[in-house]
Amino acid sequence: GESVGLHLPTLSVQEGDNSIINCAYSNSASDYFIWYKQESGKGPQFIIDIRSNMDKRQGQRVTVLLNKTVKHLSLQIAATQPGDSAVYFCAEDSPLNEKLTFGTGTRLTIIP
Amino acid sequence: SQTIHQWPATLVQPVGSPLSLECTVEGTSNPNLYWYRQAAGRGLQLLFYSVGIGQISSEVPQNLSASRPQDRQFILSSKKLLLSDSGFYLCAWSRTTGTGGGHRETQYFGPGTRLLVL
Repeated sequence: GESVGLHLPTLSVQEGDNSIINCAYSNSASDYFIWYKQESGKGPQFIIDIRSNMDKRQGQRVTVLLNKTVKHLSLQIAATQPGDSAVYFCAEDSPLNEKLTFGTGTRLTIIP
Repeated sequence: SQTIHQWPATLVQPVGSPLSLECTVEGTSNPNLYWYRQAAGRGLQLLFYSVGIGQISSEVPQNLSASRPQDRQFILSSKKLLLSDSGFYLCAWSRTTGTGGGHRETQYFGPGTRLLVL
C-alpha cells in the first residue's frame, strides 16, 4: 500500500554542522508535503511545507527539497543548535487520501 | 493568531473508567478538527476528524468516540477505558479548503494529553 517512510530512524549531528533528514513516499499522487518537529512530551510543531509545483523551499535555517522523480523529500537544517534535537516527521497529502499520512519519524540528536 | 488548547495535560485512569478529553481552538472559524493517538516512540494514528459541528468521521474502529458540540470544540470520549488506550493524544486543526474533507492544508497540533490507563 501507499506509505511514507524514513531512511534513518536516528541521526546524530555535531552542533554547528548541517543535518539532512530524508523521507521517501510511494504515492505518486501526493502533492503536498509537510515537515513537523516534535520535542519530547510536546505536540508536533509545523516547520515548513512544500507543494508539488516546487522542488525547493527555504525557511529560517531550514530547507525542504522535493524530488518527485524518485519520490523523495528531505529537510536540511543549517548550523544545528541543541534546540534542534527532536523527532522530525514528514507528512504527505494527496487528493486521493483525504488525510495526511505521517512517517514514523527520525530522531535527531545534536551533540554539543 | 490561532491557538489550540488541550486538557487535561496528563491523566491517569483505571481500566473500565470513562474518559473525556477536550480540545478547543481560538482565532479561527469553521476549522477542520482531528484527534490522533501516538504510542511511545511511534508515529501518529488518526482516530477521528470533523469538518463541521456534529460531523465526525471515524478512522479506526475502537472503544473511543468523538463529538463536536461547538464549532471550535472537539471532544474525545470513552465509556470504558482499556489498557491499550494508553498513549499521547493529540488534537489538531486545519483551515477548511472548501473542497470537501479539507485535509489538504497544514495541520497545527495542540500540546497533547498523556493518558495512562492502569
